[in-house]
Amino acid sequence: DAGVTQSPTHLIKTRGQQVTLRCSPKSGHDTVSWYQQALGQGPQFIFQYYEEEERQRGNFPDRFSGHQFPNYSSELNVNALLLGDSALYLCASSRWAGGDEQFFGPGTRLTVL
Amino acid sequence: DQQVKQNSPSLSVQEGRISILNCDYTNSMFDYFLWYKKYPAEGPTFLISISSIKDKNEDGRFTVFLNKSAKHLSLHIVPSQPGDSAVYFCAAPNSNSGYALNFGKGTSLLVTP
Repeated sequence: DAGVTQSPTHLIKTRGQQVTLRCSPKSGHDTVSWYQQALGQGPQFIFQYYEEEERQRGNFPDRFSGHQFPNYSSELNVNALLLGDSALYLCASSRWAGGDEQFFGPGTRLTVL
Repeated sequence: DQQVKQNSPSLSVQEGRISILNCDYTNSMFDYFLWYKKYPAEGPTFLISISSIKDKNEDGRFTVFLNKSAKHLSLHIVPSQPGDSAVYFCAAPNSNSGYALNFGKGTSLLVTP
């Protein structure tokens, strides 16, 4: 079992650009959540996907959007990048509505210049 | 609004001694708490949890204590080992938001030989 995988590992973009991050959940999991971890902070919940729909959303602007595919993998898209979007983006997978432990991937480090 | 707070950014403990990491929360609706451990370049990994119906949960060297009246929990590591050096996050799922996790800012533990 490969666990939760994320790609790419690192990414450098410039302000105003758009970025797509990818996540494959742990085998047997159908729910994917995305978190943003800024330097010196704890992870902040962005949104959660189940059955290819956004089910919950944290306090993030519409520039942050996502998608879930039939195989449960997910993408996080960020448009019109700002310097403040520089962070570690973590993907977590779980089983829906179980309140189960969420398993995290290693994250994608995004740097916006 | 930070609903889970870890007020100690760092802690240094000698090998063999006890490490005590503290966490406070403000939302009285939280009924389940988790501790995650994070090494550099890795995602957070689940360490131990506690339900609000308990005041203590033990797993090997790790024990979590919950004081509901004070809205406070603590993680005890006994004895501490150099491999325990990591960032520890306290988290609480919000059952009204698909169990999205609310994280504290983390405490960086350094266990010295």
